[in-house]
Amino acid sequence: AQKITQTQPGMFVQEKEAVTLDCTYDTSDPSYGLFWYKQPSSGEMIFLIYQGSYDQQNATEGRYSLNFQKARKSANLVISASQLGDSAMYFCAMITGANSKLTFGKGITLSVRP
Amino acid sequence: DADVTQTPRNRITKTGKRIMLECSQTKGHDRMYWYRQDPGLGLRLIYYSFDVKDINKGEISDGYSVSRQAQAKFSLSLESAIPNQTALYFCATSDFRGGWDTQYFGPGTRLTVL
Repeated sequence: AQKITQTQPGMFVQEKEAVTLDCTYDTSDPSYGLFWYKQPSSGEMIFLIYQGSYDQQNATEGRYSLNFQKARKSANLVISASQLGDSAMYFCAMITGANSKLTFGKGITLSVRP
Repeated sequence: DADVTQTPRNRITKTGKRIMLECSQTKGHDRMYWYRQDPGLGLRLIYYSFDVKDINKGEISDGYSVSRQAQAKFSLSLESAIPNQTALYFCATSDFRGGWDTQYFGPGTRLTVL
């Protein structure tokens, strides 16, 4: 079975600083994809970034980057130059070849302080 | 216009009533999904469909049914709503092209069962 763990309590960061949101995963399938989604207070789920298990380089999308450490089974999201609009809930998720279904973690709340 | 739309956006109903939540997409994706989100539990998969003739149960399908009327439309029904089905419901779509398909979410439907 696959599992995503997000255990950080609510995170706070000062505007313009970088922040790392932790995600660890567990799967026996060697082939998998890792995703991060953002959920602002308005409720929608916004896709941010994706990393495949066989990708040689860490994924980057604008201010978002994914610190992928395969041996440690971690896929941490790094947000650089935080903005007030980054305040939201962030979910890590995984999909494996075994069932092609997305499994979500419980999320982390990020608050950006001015 | 939004690529994935859900109707209604908010609904309050009573125990025992039949409810239908509708999802439409203009992304041209074959795969569609229904999730529910409860506080502290992340998103959980209810049903998914990889094409019009393919319907599959997710991890929490009891009490729900679905209909894939067309490639672009996927409806979720609660035949006899109960209070513990109060949640935020998301529809998502994806298009598998090799590698890992990214799921894109609708805006959500907030359902309250009294």
